Amino acid sequence: QVQLVQSGAEVKKPGSSVKVSCKASGVIFSSVAISWVRQVPGQGLEWMGGIIPISGTANYAQRFQGRVTLTTDESTSIAYMELSSLTSEDTAVYYCTRDQVGVGATDWGQGTVVTVSS
Amino acid sequence: DIQMTQSPSSLSASVGDRVTITCRASQSISNYLTWYQQKPGEAPELLIYAASSLQSGVPSRFSGSGSGTDFTLTISGLQPEDFATYYCQQTYSSYTFGQGTKLEIK
Repeated sequence: QVQLVQSGAEVKKPGSSVKVSCKASGVIFSSVAISWVRQVPGQGLEWMGGIIPISGTANYAQRFQGRVTLTTDESTSIAYMELSSLTSEDTAVYYCTRDQVGVGATDWGQGTVVTVSS
Repeated sequence: DIQMTQSPSSLSASVGDRVTITCRASQSISNYLTWYQQKPGEAPELLIYAASSLQSGVPSRFSGSGSGTDFTLTISGLQPEDFATYYCQQTYSSYTFGQGTKLEIK
């Protein structure tokens, strides 16, 4: 079955960047679409953006444009999400998801906790 | 971006009840609407896609309906494991989530 395994928790300083990884197994990586979703403590789900590894085409939510970069490495089946100019408001759990067209996020990573604190 | 508005934001119900959660899109999204369930400390799980199609393995007490801008998720005969937070998501143009509905035990 599809498994998405994310990198471990991060603690970052305000103004810095964080890069979270998501390794996919049980699926042909080039055939998937990967999204990143975050959840601030006590709040709802927020879609940040998505990428199609086979084309490298990424699509970002308006509010994260210019601050988030999604990339993939097909040789290792890993997707990356880099978020820059961090503030305390970016403290959240970050999930990667495998998306299916017309369906949504059928598979989720375990989540990566990112804490931004001085 | 397309905005998704869920109501209510919270809901109290008893085991065995039938509950309905609504989701409204800021523009027509045809039937590109997905529902998720999230329990505390866990990643969400997909329940329903294409507005009314039940994901494999999801109990039949869950159902969805709607098209265009207005959608509903209905749970018939609430079970203890159904008390969770539910989110809608449009997949018509990029993705956007609703703000969530927390279903609590009365």
